[in-house]
Amino acid sequence: IAGITQAPTSQILAAGRRMTLRCTQDMRHNAMYWYRQDLGLGLRLIHYSNTAGTTGKGEVPDGYSVSRANTDDFPLTLASAVPSQTSVYFCASSEWGLDTDTQYFGPGTRLTVL
Amino acid sequence: GQNIDQPTEMTATEGAIVQINCTYQTSGFNGLFWYQQHAGEAPTFLSYNVLDGLEEKGRFSSFLSRSKGYSYLLLKELQMKDSASYLCAVRDRDYKLSFGAGTTVTVRA
Repeated sequence: IAGITQAPTSQILAAGRRMTLRCTQDMRHNAMYWYRQDLGLGLRLIHYSNTAGTTGKGEVPDGYSVSRANTDDFPLTLASAVPSQTSVYFCASSEWGLDTDTQYFGPGTRLTVL
Repeated sequence: GQNIDQPTEMTATEGAIVQINCTYQTSGFNGLFWYQQHAGEAPTFLSYNVLDGLEEKGRFSSFLSRSKGYSYLLLKELQMKDSASYLCAVRDRDYKLSFGAGTTVTVRA
């Protein structure tokens, strides 16, 4: 694989169910991010991790959790999905701390919560 | 926090020039990025400015004025494939990005 992969590509989920979105990068970037993108609102940061073993909250963290057990993987979990979590979710990675630090995005997961 | 504004939509003719403006208010500026996003795809990096002035990259140029909280992305010699959303993003001192809502550019023949 090259770059960032996300799974699944799309998912329809019943409200109240638990769901984990997967994200894997092979660029050995130290930082990883989860965003959601909604029409008219742009990309909003959910959670981030500047290095393996650490995580932080972004702008819209409620209802989501993350873990960063190693450099490559950064799963996002919805413990009990609600319809307002219907969105397109993008994972990104970057070499945190460099002036030229650029975020590279995965292909996205389209999630529908009914 | 960040407050980032850019126009919602712009339309231009193939071969023309379009300028997308972005204004921002920030609590700690550490760089401004432009991304391109085609419908149904992931955002891809276009340009980066941290100092005032113009950065040119082929048909695309980006300008920054930190004192005015202002940037623009200039697309020259427009092609049909340039139809996309263009996202302005401001980086803070913790290296986190805040994005504007995006400007959808439609190129017409």
